[in-house]
Amino acid sequence: EDQVTQSPEALRLQEGESSSLNCSYTVSGLRGLFWYRQDPGKGPEFLFTLYSAGEEKEKERLKATLTKKESFLHITAPKPEDSATYLCAVHPGSNYKLTFGKGTLLTVNP
Amino acid sequence: DTGVSQNPRHKITKRGQNVTFRCDPISEHNRLYWYRQTLGQGPEFLTYFQNEAQLEKSRLLSDRFSAERPKGSFSTLEIQRTEQGDSAMYLCASSSGTGGVEKLFFGSGTQLSVL
Repeated sequence: EDQVTQSPEALRLQEGESSSLNCSYTVSGLRGLFWYRQDPGKGPEFLFTLYSAGEEKEKERLKATLTKKESFLHITAPKPEDSATYLCAVHPGSNYKLTFGKGTLLTVNP
Repeated sequence: DTGVSQNPRHKITKRGQNVTFRCDPISEHNRLYWYRQTLGQGPEFLTYFQNEAQLEKSRLLSDRFSAERPKGSFSTLEIQRTEQGDSAMYLCASSSGTGGVEKLFFGSGTQLSVL
């Protein structure tokens, strides 16, 4: 069974304080790993897809990286508007069901 | 607006009642998915459609749940004889259906509260 574990469950940062979120996974035949952002009361919003170990993607203050067992979402000099829950999900090789982690609730204080 | 649309946004019902939710995907998307999310958890897969065909259903989807996608356009999710444990956010997503690794576009969800 595919599994995704995200840590920490919650992270509180000061504005400008860089940090990383972790996503560990076990999946049969990874086809892709997704990062989504979710604001309260809304659906997840797509951020990145990573396909193979060693790959990196960047968008504004966010950078996602992938190894064979985990992915990191690095946030550089965060701003209060980056506060959200960040979800990681894996796309297995055999079907189109994404398995999500529980997410990391990020709070950035001004 | 070309995003995924879900209605209603909120639904409050009494235990034992039936409820139906609607999802309108992005118009050119062939695949449509239903997920359920409870507080503090990530979305859990329920079912998905390729055009009008329902291709996979989760074990989470009990006999009280039924989903349809007539004509491969909008989809409905019905829950019969609701239970308090059904209280959750029901999310719909769509993807292009062109194959490979497809990113899912999610709607804002329907928040169900069963009293």
